Amino acid sequence: GIQVEQSPPDLILQEGANSTLRCNFSDSVNNLQWFHQNPWGQLINLFYIPSGTKQNGRLSATTVATERYSLLYISSSQTTDSGVYFCAGSPTGTYKYIFGTGTRLKVLA
Amino acid sequence: GAGVSQTPSNKVTEKGKYVELRCDPISGHTALYWYRQSLGQGPEFLIYFQGTGAADDSGLPNDRFFAVRPEGSVSTLKIQRTERGDSAVYLCASSLFGTSRYEQYFGPGTRLTVT
Repeated sequence: GIQVEQSPPDLILQEGANSTLRCNFSDSVNNLQWFHQNPWGQLINLFYIPSGTKQNGRLSATTVATERYSLLYISSSQTTDSGVYFCAGSPTGTYKYIFGTGTRLKVLA
Repeated sequence: GAGVSQTPSNKVTEKGKYVELRCDPISGHTALYWYRQSLGQGPEFLIYFQGTGAADDSGLPNDRFFAVRPEGSVSTLKIQRTERGDSAVYLCASSLFGTSRYEQYFGPGTRLTVT
């Protein structure tokens, strides 16, 4: 089955720093989302981005579908950005999501 | 509007018992998904419904697991003869379907502990 690799696995930043999280897929995906899992376990939708670029405040994401990867950019990080970031994609012909193992982000004040 | 809700938030049961976990999707969402998340891992797909029917149950680990969605809205995940390895957070998600967007929205999860 499809493999989803996220990097880096762990990231520690000082407040105000910028970062880039990457998600690689071993095969093509139809749908792609980025999530933030907060310390209480809730998965929060960041972007639905099967292709192209989107921005929402300090966050932006780019998916290059032909090369099977997606990037999440966090600018001017805040302590509330801490948590685990997951990407997920659905293999062609399906609607189920395959999740990566996540990037654990800690932002220090 | 209201998001996806799941009940109970926590469930502790003894090995061998039967449990039911409930999911209320976002109103109007026709697709409903169940995932399971173990500690330190990403969520793993279990089953998804389009309307009342299970469109893909390829993620159910064995025949102890079963899910229903009889009226196309609320869904119940049923686990028979629970085992300690079933302990995890069970997540439910819903989405619109038949449009150009399939964005999934997740509930807060049910933490199942099998003792």
